[in-house]
Amino acid sequence: GESVGLHLPTLSVQEGDNSIINCAYSNSASDYFIWYKQESGKGPQFIIDIRSNMDKRQGQRVTVLLNKTVKHLSLQIAATQPGDSAVYFCAENINNAGNMLTFGGGTRLMVKP
Amino acid sequence: ETGVTQSPTHLIKTRGQQVTLRCSSQSGHNTVSWYQQALGQGPQFIFQYYREEENGRGNFPPRFSGLQFPNYSSELNVNALELDDSALYLCASSLGTGEYEAFFGQGTRLTVV
Repeated sequence: GESVGLHLPTLSVQEGDNSIINCAYSNSASDYFIWYKQESGKGPQFIIDIRSNMDKRQGQRVTVLLNKTVKHLSLQIAATQPGDSAVYFCAENINNAGNMLTFGGGTRLMVKP
Repeated sequence: ETGVTQSPTHLIKTRGQQVTLRCSSQSGHNTVSWYQQALGQGPQFIFQYYREEENGRGNFPPRFSGLQFPNYSSELNVNALELDDSALYLCASSLGTGEYEAFFGQGTRLTVV
């Protein structure tokens, strides 16, 4: 399959531990943020989104935190599983334009059994 | 699977040639966005089509052009290929241009030699 993120920052965690992936975004005017997961050979897959009027949003095993003061976004994955191994990207909307997105550089998550 | 299909999956072209990549969007989706993903990087927004009209464009030269058809499928055309155009090209469809989830296809890997 495709090799995604050969030289990306890597986070290695033990199965069952919690993972925290961080992202700094660029545009203080962005009002919509999304986390994507990309497995080898596949396109990005939506995980969770958050709007700028919120600072926290929870999904199933995932939580996104938004700190607009320092333009920082984080993704927390609870009880990390081997199937969570992938490259994770944060994205922000371009010029407040809906789903036209600017992606960050990505972080590779490796889960050790 | 997202229901977004791209063809071909892999393609090799010679510098200076032209290429057309195709995307079939998910049923009911009227908006298609194209992204270029270089190895080890996050996707970069090329342009978006909404109901057959270009709705927004990223920082790509005019030799990158597109079309959207009445059935909302889409093409990405690249003229005068350069070596740096080698990348994974991703198509994403969504219900509209607002903050709707974008569903990505698996991508087309283009290699320019």
